This record gives sequence, structure tokens and C-alpha cells, in this order.
Amino acid sequence: DSGVTQTPKHLITATGQRVTLRCSPRSGDLSVYWYQQSLDQGLQFLIQYYNGEERAKGNILERFSAQQFPDLHSELNLSSLELGDSALYFCASTPGQDGKLFFGSGTQLSVL
Amino acid sequence: EDQVTQSPEALRLQEGESSSLNCSYTVSGLRGLFWYRQDPGKGPEFLFTLYSAGEEKEKERLKATLTKKESFLHITAPKPEDSATYLCAVQAVGGYQKVTFGTGTKLQVIP
Repeated sequence: DSGVTQTPKHLITATGQRVTLRCSPRSGDLSVYWYQQSLDQGLQFLIQYYNGEERAKGNILERFSAQQFPDLHSELNLSSLELGDSALYFCASTPGQDGKLFFGSGTQLSVL
Repeated sequence: EDQVTQSPEALRLQEGESSSLNCSYTVSGLRGLFWYRQDPGKGPEFLFTLYSAGEEKEKERLKATLTKKESFLHITAPKPEDSATYLCAVQAVGGYQKVTFGTGTKLQVIP
């Protein structure tokens, strides 16, 4: 158990809908990363937060947004969902800026 | 932009048959190179961090090495429980930097 909690584990929704994925980092970790993993593209970096502030951004679509709250949990919001958004979404945490990441077990999103 | 290329995409070994996985990288100043293991349906699990060329790290049957352009993950006398996807990742120096992953090598060890 990495100590990173992601909910829900599975999410099935329809095109055009909006969903929220939640991540609770390990106790004491200030940095949260979000990744998308699909079969053909591997782990794609979406966005990173450190102590509530956005620090790095990857190829995150404009339909996607995220935030980190004062209690350090993070949420990834996906809107106007398309079939191609179906993927595993991972959250990872680390104490600071180090690339040694601790991953949650992911949220499997299926857009039908 | 940081890039990580892993080869081969898939590798099938007999139990006890040693081999190496390759990770080639391009980064504007390496802060760290990381190896992770991922089992199906689970999040990646950290294995090693390498910081500079010539560095080596070992853990059980795994040994990671680093040059200025590549890293290798050597697997000695693998067992079926070593079957997993092995991911390589890099992080550049400077501030808050993303961690860029390769697409991984899927290893299958046959009894």
C-alpha cells in the first residue's frame, strides 16, 4: 500500500458528461501529480501541484482542470467527456520536488 | 522537451535466463532517472533513482545502471514473480519539474 488513496476505483459515464476524480496524498506529502495512462500512449503527465499551487503542466486538455485544497487532497475535473478520454487516471505524491513518486491504484474511467 | 524511449516493448524470458532492459533518454540537464515496476491494474511502484553517469543501484535480482544517454535494468536469474511492466522516467533539473515516463517494457518470465 503506497499510502495514496484514489476514489472512485471505477467510473462509467456517457459522452458529454463531467466527472471528478479525487486523490488523497500520503501523510506529509505536499506535491501531487496527475497522470493519464492509455494502452497506446503510456503514462502521460497532466499536471502537478505543490502545497496548493500549480507548479508544472503537461499536455492537459482545456476540458480538464485540477486543484489542490488546503488539506492537500487534490481533485481532477474532466468535462465534456469524449470516448477518447477513457483511460486509467493516476495520482502520485511526493514530499517535495523529487521524482520518486508514490502512486495510487488509479481510477479507471470508461466513457460510453 | 524531455524524451524517454524504452526497448524492447516486450520481453519473454525463461526462468533463470538473465537479460537487460534499455532506457534511452533526452533531457536538458538530468536531475534524476527513475525505474518503476507496474503490475496489471495497479499503480507504478518505485524501484530506483540514479543521479549521475556511472551510478549503479541493486535490489534483489535487479540492477540499474546509468550512462549519459542510457540506463539499463539488468535482471539476473529472473523468477515468474518478476513478470511486470518496467517503466523508466526522467526529471530535469530546475524548480518544479515534471517526471516524464517511457512506455515501458512488458516482461514475462516463464517457469
